[in-house]
Amino acid sequence: AQSVTQPDIHITVSEGASLELRCNYSYGATPYLFWYVQSPGQGLQLLLKYFSGDTLVQGIKGFEAEFKRSQSSFNLRKPSVHWSDAAEYFCAVGADQAGTALIFGKGTTLSVSS
Amino acid sequence: NAGVTQTPKFQVLKTGQSMTLQCAQDMNHNSMYWYRQDPGMGLRLIYYSASEGTTDKGEVPNGYNVSRLNKREFSLRLESAAPSQTSVYFCASRPNSGNTIYFGEGSWLTVV
Repeated sequence: AQSVTQPDIHITVSEGASLELRCNYSYGATPYLFWYVQSPGQGLQLLLKYFSGDTLVQGIKGFEAEFKRSQSSFNLRKPSVHWSDAAEYFCAVGADQAGTALIFGKGTTLSVSS
Repeated sequence: NAGVTQTPKFQVLKTGQSMTLQCAQDMNHNSMYWYRQDPGMGLRLIYYSASEGTTDKGEVPNGYNVSRLNKREFSLRLESAAPSQTSVYFCASRPNSGNTIYFGEGSWLTVV
């Protein structure tokens, strides 16, 4: 079955500390992977995406993610968290096929402490 | 550059009422989608339309109907709203070539 697992429901990080959000996927086809961020009461914003090539991808707001095919993972990282990064983060997987939808994980809520 | 536009943004319904969520995209995309978002559940696919004239069920279609009116518009209808349909609804679209899915800003629906 196709699925995305985000093992951590809620993470608290001190401002200035590093961050890693985990994402594991199960997908039959070659996966295309995405990370989205959502602030309270807002829509979804695309942070970064992986289609092919370099397995370390850079995104907006200083985020990066690394695709590891052997571990079926696509973890999101940031070297130094800012208070404004507090939000909910969603990992998603899709395929290079017209019409196919994204499958989302259940999300990880990030809190930032001062 | 409107992108994906959803209306209404907020709506309160009484149990048993009907309503239609409208979605339109101006990017000439072939595929369109409706998701619902609930706390702790992420986004779940309700229905999708791979191209004009076709629609298919997603993970949670019960209680909903859709219409792909033309290439631009994809509406979601609740025929008899239930409190379990209280949720945030997102419409999205995707071009035939390219893998990025574009989302609307969401519609907050409360059924009382």
